[in-house]
Amino acid sequence: AQTVTQSQPEMSVQEAETVTLSCTYDTSESDYYLFWYKQPPSRQMILVIRQEAYKQQNATENRFSVNFQKAAKSFSLKISDSQLGDAAMYFCDYRKYNNNDMRFGAGTRLTVKP
Amino acid sequence: GAVVSQHPSWVICKSGTSVKIECRSLDFQATTMFWYRQFPKQSLMLMATSNEGSKATYEQGVEKDKFLINHASLTLSTLTVTSAHPEDSSFYICSASRGLEPHYNEQFFGPGTRLTVL
Repeated sequence: AQTVTQSQPEMSVQEAETVTLSCTYDTSESDYYLFWYKQPPSRQMILVIRQEAYKQQNATENRFSVNFQKAAKSFSLKISDSQLGDAAMYFCDYRKYNNNDMRFGAGTRLTVKP
Repeated sequence: GAVVSQHPSWVICKSGTSVKIECRSLDFQATTMFWYRQFPKQSLMLMATSNEGSKATYEQGVEKDKFLINHASLTLSTLTVTSAHPEDSSFYICSASRGLEPHYNEQFFGPGTRLTVL
């Protein structure tokens, strides 16, 4: 079974500053997909960013970017210019192409201070 | 696009009764739907995967006779919690996948259903 570890149960950031959320995973596969999801208090899961393992280039989506280190099996999320609306639970997700072997990390609760 | 709805959003039932939760893909056809359970302040736990017209595949430890899943069409999947007990109280989330490139395995999540069993 694949495991996904988010070692930071809680993180805090000042508004407009940058924060990095960590995620490591265990796999013997070479082809897989990684996702970061945001779950605000409404509990609606929102896709933040995705990374295909075969791509060396780190994915970016506006203020969100990842540092994907395949050899180290690390997939961290960087949030730049943090906004109050970024406050949420963030989940790291590993899965295979056809959604097999899907695993979510335990989550990191991000607080944004005004 | 790619909107998924769940109904009801909140349900309270008596112990021993059955509860049905619907998951619909509103503007796309979902080849695969997924059901998750989320306890307070915890992560999502995948319960089962269902493909239209075939039996659901349940994760280890999930009682298939307890949690009945029907994926009758490409836009509707239902989860029925049979003979519900207080320990079944939880937040249930569904997601749907279009199975189309370039993001073949992208999942679109419903807003969730809070089940409380008295």
